[in-house]
Amino acid sequence: AQSVAQPEDQVNVAEGNPLTVKCTYSVSGNPYLFWYVQYPNRGLQFLLKYITGDNLVKGSYGFEAEFNKSQTSFHLKKPSALVSDSALYFCAVRPTSGTYKYIFGTGTRLKVLA
Amino acid sequence: GAVVSQHPSRVICKSGTSVKIECRSLDFQATTMFWYRQFPKQSLMLMATSNEGSKATYEQGVEKDKFLINHASLTLSTLTVTSAHPEDSSFYICSASRLAASTDTQYFGPGTRLTVL
Repeated sequence: AQSVAQPEDQVNVAEGNPLTVKCTYSVSGNPYLFWYVQYPNRGLQFLLKYITGDNLVKGSYGFEAEFNKSQTSFHLKKPSALVSDSALYFCAVRPTSGTYKYIFGTGTRLKVLA
Repeated sequence: GAVVSQHPSRVICKSGTSVKIECRSLDFQATTMFWYRQFPKQSLMLMATSNEGSKATYEQGVEKDKFLINHASLTLSTLTVTSAHPEDSSFYICSASRLAASTDTQYFGPGTRLTVL
């Protein structure tokens, strides 16, 4: 079965330090990869996506993600965390065959400490 | 660009009544809209996929007669929770994909908090 894993339920990082939120997937072919952020009682905001090309993708609010095909990973990163980055982060994968449905990870709560 | 709105943002209703939630793509045409349900501290559960002008495709285990979805235009989809019960209380989120976009980014609405008393 196809799946997306976010192995950490929560990540704590000090403000100003770099952050990484991990995502690995088990999906056949060359899927499209996405990161979204959710603030309390809000919908998901699109951060970035990987379709093809350069393995390092830059997105909104200073976030970037690195695609690694051999490890089937798409980790979200930011060089210097802000307290305002504290939120719930979802990785999503869309297979390139079949329907338009996303396969979501379970989410990782990021807490940036002042 | 790519803004999706939902209305209402919050609704409280009595058990047995029906509630309609609207999802609109404000600045683009959406071929496909999706309806999700999110339980506290959990990921999103896809309920159904709707394409403009055709019947929605429901995920396994989702009652189509209870969760009525209409996608009447390229900018509007509605979800009606019929005969709501307390167990239907949840956070409902819609998303939309652009017309003729091959990369299929889904843009999400802000969500609707439904509380059934």
